[in-house]
Amino acid sequence: GAGVSQTPSNKVTEKGKYVELRCDPISGHTALYWYRQSLGQGPEFLIYFQGTGAADDSGLPNDRFFAVRPEGSVSTLKIQRTERGDSAVYLCASSLNRGAYNEQFFGPGTRLTVL
Amino acid sequence: RKEVEQDPGPFNVPEGATVAFNCTYSNSASQSFFWYRQDCRKEPKLLMSVYSSGNEDGRFTAQLNRASQYISLLIRDSKLSDSATYLCVVNSNTDKLIFGTGTRLQVFP
Repeated sequence: GAGVSQTPSNKVTEKGKYVELRCDPISGHTALYWYRQSLGQGPEFLIYFQGTGAADDSGLPNDRFFAVRPEGSVSTLKIQRTERGDSAVYLCASSLNRGAYNEQFFGPGTRLTVL
Repeated sequence: RKEVEQDPGPFNVPEGATVAFNCTYSNSASQSFFWYRQDCRKEPKLLMSVYSSGNEDGRFTAQLNRASQYISLLIRDSKLSDSATYLCVVNSNTDKLIFGTGTRLQVFP
């Protein structure tokens, strides 16, 4: 079946601009996660949704970052007033349910470059 | 101190070699443990879960030592296709995964 998909695959923007990154989880998966991976590092947690609600947004670096999942399926990560330090690969993952033992399946990521 | 620490490598080994990766974690309340594999410019994919009793999947063996907060991965009879970054991952019952920086493995002919 279809895996997690993310669009766009690459995004180049200028400092100060607004960007939206989209994630389509595996059908039927209730939990959705956003991570950010910088060069040479492992992915770092940003936010997690159970259904439509953000269950844990403790990883969002500041209030320029915001994410929504209005219908409990597709999610959008929004970044305002982008900075060069926001350049990274943004990974989305989904799992069937929440819980420490549920496998998280990752999408291919969106590579964001802020010039 | 990072929550999950692993040697970044790279580990350069010939085909057929046995190689071991280690990882330590700081949160004693951590509940589940994994090794993920990540190929260059690709997403992480689950390689195997790690249990206290140890578990084996073909050429791969994973081990967890809760007392020492230590996780290991052993790869026997290395193949060229094993070249990748291996990420040590911990879940502390908060649903979010905590990743190490990854250990790069390069298998050469």
